[in-house]
Amino acid sequence: SQTIHQWPATLVQPVGSPLSLECTVEGTSNPNLYWYRQAAGRGLQLLFYSVGIGQISSEVPQNLSASRPQDRQFILSSKKLLLSDSGFYLCAWDRAPPLFGQGTRLTVV
Amino acid sequence: DQQVKQNSPSLSVQEGRISILNCDYTNSMFDYFLWYKKYPAEGPTFLISISSIKDKNEDGRFTVFLNKSAKHLSLHIVPSQPGDSAVYFCAASANNDYKLSFGAGTTVTVRA
Repeated sequence: SQTIHQWPATLVQPVGSPLSLECTVEGTSNPNLYWYRQAAGRGLQLLFYSVGIGQISSEVPQNLSASRPQDRQFILSSKKLLLSDSGFYLCAWDRAPPLFGQGTRLTVV
Repeated sequence: DQQVKQNSPSLSVQEGRISILNCDYTNSMFDYFLWYKKYPAEGPTFLISISSIKDKNEDGRFTVFLNKSAKHLSLHIVPSQPGDSAVYFCAASANNDYKLSFGAGTTVTVRA
């Protein structure tokens, strides 16, 4: 079956600490993968997308980065978190229609 | 720049009645539109979509209408049920890719 997994579900991190969120998909090969963020009271904003291993496109300038080390793995990272990085992060896969992971609630304190 | 707008942050409707959610967009290149439903602390789940070559798509209790000239779409839920209480996001994409632009969402509350 085709599924998308994202973890952790919740994360509380201090300002200045690093971040690593992982997303993996199953049941497909060579998927296009996406990272979105939902800030409080706002819609989802596309942060990064990847069409293949090592291929990352950034949609908005920010304190975050993304990597695609394996075909079905997509990672969102930061070297030093800011308070403004708090939000709900979602990984998505462009299976028609796009399929979203369960999300990670990140709180930077 | 918000290319997809949902101007009603919330909607309250009585069980059994119709819920109508509205969405406006500004980018004339958008050719595919989707509605997602989201519960708290969960990822959005796909509800229904419509291509720009159509003006209506229906799936059970859900119908999406597209008015390209007005750059407007709406989602009708009939009849509304308590389980429909959630946040609904309108999304759009262009050029056959799935880089989605989302609206800010409308929180629907269905009253018993």
